[in-house]
Amino acid sequence: GAVVSQHPSWVICKSGTSVKIECRSLDFQATTMFWYRQFPKQSLMLMATSNEGSKATYEQGVEKDKFLINHASLTLSTLTVTSAHPEDSSFYICSARDGNRGSTGELFFGEGSRLTVL
Amino acid sequence: AQSVTQLDSQVPVFEEAPVELRCNYSSSVSVYLFWYVQYPNQGLQLLLKYLSGSTLVKGINGFEAEFNKSQTSFHLRKPSVHISDTAEYFCAVSGASKIIFGSGTRLSIRP
Repeated sequence: GAVVSQHPSWVICKSGTSVKIECRSLDFQATTMFWYRQFPKQSLMLMATSNEGSKATYEQGVEKDKFLINHASLTLSTLTVTSAHPEDSSFYICSARDGNRGSTGELFFGEGSRLTVL
Repeated sequence: AQSVTQLDSQVPVFEEAPVELRCNYSSSVSVYLFWYVQYPNQGLQLLLKYLSGSTLVKGINGFEAEFNKSQTSFHLRKPSVHISDTAEYFCAVSGASKIIFGSGTRLSIRP
């Protein structure tokens, strides 16, 4: 099956710094990528939809200036948490949709990135 | 708009016993339905999906689910669970553009 790689898996940073998380589709072209945030023992909350070559579409309540998303190529999307604070600590998961499978295709998920802000 | 309801937040079951994880959805249009599994500190892995055709869908690890349009349900079943099935299970519904996840059901297996 298709593989999505997410990096880093774990990151600890000081409050006020910025952190970048990468999401790569390894063997397919991902025209659309999604970024989710998951709090402990809760479901995935969709943060934004990222389309290659265009601006991301953010869900209501998600600060686009806080969570910068870039999807510059068909295999890479990045999420940058700017001026991180302890409340940004969470598990961030990216997923990608195979452009060749259309909108009915399944999502392929990265391994997730656990962010801890001290 | 679509929504997904997983009725049980936690399901404890003995090893080798059968299990059913419930999922109900609502939508005004045709949808595609999925079940994903999440092991601790990992991303999600697809168990199975329903797009069209046969209402009984078989997935990996011995899981299956049945799409019931009249009851708007997509319950997940396994006839005999194993310790390794301990995980969080998410039901999801896909519309034209994005996938919406249920709140998840934690399956805990007792030896």
